[in-house]
Amino acid sequence: EVQLVESGGGLVQPGRSLRLSCAASGFTFDDYAMHWVRQAPGKGLEWVSGISWNSGSIGYADSVKGRFTISRDNAKNSLYLQMNSLRAEDTALYYCAKSENYDILTGQGTYFDYWGQGTLVTVSS
Amino acid sequence: QSALTQPASVSGSPGQSITISCTGTSSDVGGYNYVSWYQQHPGKAPKLMIYDVSNRPSGVSNRFSGSKSGNTASLTISGLQAEDEADYYCSSYTSSSNVVFGGGTKLTVL
Repeated sequence: EVQLVESGGGLVQPGRSLRLSCAASGFTFDDYAMHWVRQAPGKGLEWVSGISWNSGSIGYADSVKGRFTISRDNAKNSLYLQMNSLRAEDTALYYCAKSENYDILTGQGTYFDYWGQGTLVTVSS
Repeated sequence: QSALTQPASVSGSPGQSITISCTGTSSDVGGYNYVSWYQQHPGKAPKLMIYDVSNRPSGVSNRFSGSKSGNTASLTISGLQAEDEADYYCSSYTSSSNVVFGGGTKLTVL
């Protein structure tokens, strides 16, 4: 059974940093691209970032480019999101999601077939 | 990258069919057959319902179908059931090798 378990969320002051983690199990982690998707309270889904199977290709939404860094450790079956210079508008539930392709540059397979339950990030003073 | 455009809400009675539209541009929806649809119940993670415009994952009811014409994709739910009441989001691969979601549509089963 595929499982994605996010952790690392919490309350943080504006301008500070936070690192999210996603532990994956139930599938061959290094065969697939992985993504972070967030959802602000009462709002819709927003794609944040994606990373290819071997970390060779990485993409970011304009809203987080230059502040967030996605990474993965295939030996640990884990995905990460380093979030710096946090803003109030980054407040959201952050989901880890698996895509069906291995490379984010490959459009085919760019859909999210498994999601975690999310970890809540609140940016407030 | 602007969000894809979806109606804020749609409604239908049990047994009826409804269609949710998702409008983008030639740089996303219109340029690729990589549109997907997600169902989200309150307090739950999204669930994949349709991928690559019209394909259903294993286990998803055949009451759900997808299509695309030009820059607009559509999700149709036939034989509406109470359990279909949820938020629905479309998503598309983009020419920037990113992903863009629609704003979401709240489906109410009357």
